[in-house]
Amino acid sequence: DSGVTQTPKHLITATGQRVTLRCSPRSEDLSVYWYQQSLDQGLQFLIHYYNGEERAKGNILERFSAQQFPDLHSELNLSSLELGDSALYFCASSVQDGETQYFGPGTRLLVL
Amino acid sequence: QQPVQSPQAVILREGEDAVINCSSSKALYSVHWYRQKHGEAPVFLMILLKGGEQKGHEKISASFNEKKQQSSLYLTASQLSYSGTYFCGTPERGNKLVFGAGTILRVKS
Repeated sequence: DSGVTQTPKHLITATGQRVTLRCSPRSEDLSVYWYQQSLDQGLQFLIHYYNGEERAKGNILERFSAQQFPDLHSELNLSSLELGDSALYFCASSVQDGETQYFGPGTRLLVL
Repeated sequence: QQPVQSPQAVILREGEDAVINCSSSKALYSVHWYRQKHGEAPVFLMILLKGGEQKGHEKISASFNEKKQQSSLYLTASQLSYSGTYFCGTPERGNKLVFGAGTILRVKS
């Protein structure tokens, strides 16, 4: 158990819908990262927050957005969902930028 | 830019050794290694910070050659529990980690 929690564990929804994925980092961590992993694909970096501020963006679609709240938990919002958005979404946290990232168990999103 | 991992996949019998390589076209100052079992989260193995540094985790060790911009992960006397996908990650601007495509390792009894 990494200490990073993600909810929900599974999410099934329809195309065009909007969902919110939640991540709670380890208590000592200020950085939160979001990754997308499609079937048999590697880990694609989406976005990184540090202490509430956006630090870096990857190949994140405009339909996706994220934020980190004052209590350091983070949410990833996915809207106008398409079939291709079906994937495992991981968040990871670290104490400082560039240090070891601890991954949560992931949210498996299925868009039908 | 995504680091390149090789091989893409390897099948071993218990007790055999394997090497997984990770190379980058960009200058590296650190390399992170993770293992992911099917359907689970990636688990941190080790981070290498200096050129030529070697580290170990159980019977898994790694080296990092900063000049050659590459790192290698060595799995000795492999066990069934070593099966999974191994990813190397390299930091980029903003300290985001860019992961390689992964190397699938399967250890058979």
